[in-house]
Amino acid sequence: QQQVKQSPQSLIVQKGGISIINCAYENTAFDYFPWYQQFPGKGPALLIAIRPDVSEKKEGRFTISFNKSAKQFSLHIMDSQPGDSATYFCAARDTGNQFYFGTGTSLTVIP
Amino acid sequence: GAGVSQTPSNKVTEKGKYVELRCDPISGHTALYWYRQSLGQGPEFLIYFQGTGAADDSGLPNDRFFAVRPEGSVSTLKIQRTERGDSAVYLCASGASTDTQYFGPGTRLTVL
Repeated sequence: QQQVKQSPQSLIVQKGGISIINCAYENTAFDYFPWYQQFPGKGPALLIAIRPDVSEKKEGRFTISFNKSAKQFSLHIMDSQPGDSATYFCAARDTGNQFYFGTGTSLTVIP
Repeated sequence: GAGVSQTPSNKVTEKGKYVELRCDPISGHTALYWYRQSLGQGPEFLIYFQGTGAADDSGLPNDRFFAVRPEGSVSTLKIQRTERGDSAVYLCASGASTDTQYFGPGTRLTVL
């Protein structure tokens, strides 16, 4: 059973546009929600993360929106650039420090 | 400074053989994770070390998989009697806490 459900599977955005990736979870014990960016042949790299007591966190062009009651969170990439083309994973951590990852979103930003 | 390194980068083995995958974490990081990533999927948790001890090994799929971290630094993931279904990229991540994990580039394991 997938603990964290991620959508869409793939996304194509024009340069300068907004990329939005969504994730949903069921386990209310999750206490930390990071987003990772992965380029082909590389390991994932932490982009931004949020805790459930905060509804929004912004770092540069990246923003996480968190809806605790709906058990959903999303990543917004503003002013998307071709260099943002990568696979993005949401994740959630349980109280035992185990992380559950979504299935990934392949983002392509067209120049 | 140096990041997380994993060796080998690629490993091809035959069904039934034994393999060892090595992870060198960032110096001073006490938390270390092993994950398995299949094509088109997110990383799947295998085991988490805090220092030398395995704090959570509930993600290891069966008793053919074992991991050690004897001195609280380098870790080795060991797979006995490999099966074709074990083929995947094995990722290691370390962190000073579990909040920020730094991933290595992974070891691509192919079982023929």
